[in-house]
Amino acid sequence: GQSLEQPSEVTAVEGAIVQINCTYQTSGFYGLSWYQQHDGGAPTFLSYNALDGLEETGRFSSFLSRSDSYGYLLLQELQMKDSASYFCAAAPGANNLFFGTGTRLTVIP
Amino acid sequence: EAQVTQNPRYLITVTGKKLTVTCSQNMNHEYMSWYRQDPGLGLRQIYYSMNVEVTDKGDVPEGYKVSRKEKRNFPLILESPSPNQTSLYFCASSPLARSTDTQYFGPGTRLTVL
Repeated sequence: GQSLEQPSEVTAVEGAIVQINCTYQTSGFYGLSWYQQHDGGAPTFLSYNALDGLEETGRFSSFLSRSDSYGYLLLQELQMKDSASYFCAAAPGANNLFFGTGTRLTVIP
Repeated sequence: EAQVTQNPRYLITVTGKKLTVTCSQNMNHEYMSWYRQDPGLGLRQIYYSMNVEVTDKGDVPEGYKVSRKEKRNFPLILESPSPNQTSLYFCASSPLARSTDTQYFGPGTRLTVL
């Protein structure tokens, strides 16, 4: 089977940095994606890592270590609007996608 | 405007009454997929399609059917809905024929089966 583990909740202060971890166990592995979902909204794509290392997109960065079956999403200069749920998603093959259960991030003033 | 649309957005129905949730994208995307989202379980993939007439099962396909007769449309069919199919459903599409590409999600359909 496939499983992805991420913390259920994280709280951080506005302006700070927060890291959301994701460990995965899948039958195959093409890469790890991250999605953001605000309450009542649809998921939106943040990043994708196919190779080991860090990918940076503005205030958000994502890291992958294939040997450790581990990745993380790093959010810098946190803003109140970053309060949302964050999902990691692993692709065991090129065609399907398995999501973690999500991490609810609360940014406090 | 480039978008994925779903209809209806909200639906309350009764057990056993066949229903279809439509999904349409205007971006000429190759890949389309359906997910359900339940509290504490995250998003789970139901079916996906790599292109016209090419569909395959995701993680939780039981009780659902799909078709991809045209590139833009990917309807989700519940032949005999049951209460355990009460959920929030999302359709998504991506430009290339793979799940790892950026997926663009529709606004969601909240289904309640009584």
